[in-house]
Amino acid sequence: TQLLEQSPQFLSIQEGENLTVYCNSSSVFSSLQWYRQEPGEGPVLLVTVVTGGEVKKLKRLTFQFGDARKDSSLHITAAQPGDTGLYLCAGALTNAGKSTFGDGTTLTVKP
Amino acid sequence: GAVVSQHPSRVICKSGTSVKIECRSLDFQATTMFWYRQFPKQSLMLMATSNEGSKATYEQGVEKDKFLINHASLTLSTLTVTSAHPEDSSFYICSASERGFYNEQFFGPGTRLTVL
Repeated sequence: TQLLEQSPQFLSIQEGENLTVYCNSSSVFSSLQWYRQEPGEGPVLLVTVVTGGEVKKLKRLTFQFGDARKDSSLHITAAQPGDTGLYLCAGALTNAGKSTFGDGTTLTVKP
Repeated sequence: GAVVSQHPSRVICKSGTSVKIECRSLDFQATTMFWYRQFPKQSLMLMATSNEGSKATYEQGVEKDKFLINHASLTLSTLTVTSAHPEDSSFYICSASERGFYNEQFFGPGTRLTVL
């Protein structure tokens, strides 16, 4: 059973469109991270959310942590080809524990 | 800050040989390092977790005698794939985290291993 369900698995959109990626679980997380990975490289940390209901913005990216700290979303406004990549959410049950990664969302933004 | 290097970036070896991959945290002390394996178009699969100075904790199904992990210092961990076979070919990625930083992990650039 996958602890973190990420959806959609694949997403292909045109430049300028908006999109939302979801990360859902039945478990409560002490913290949750979003990463972006480009082919042949390691993932890069985008954001960490720790407080229920928290919203963080990073330029055109908006991250939200659910009130119950069981789910999170990533919204991209006016997507650009440079946003193309594999987006991964990762949750930790405790501050000292390992993180569990979702299956990832492969985003392709066409010019 | 929070830079992790990984070496080598690519390695091709013959079946039966051993390969060592190094992971270094360059500007912080990594209390914990993780080793992942990634197949094409898939997410990360955690192989093991290592804390400085102690034995690594392996995930279920990962052979500890085949994938030797050493975390000798707060800035260096190594993964040795012993007696490599073609099925070990994969993208191996390490990450490092610092105690007290909400499990944030900083990843190395990965190592592409090809076993002939």
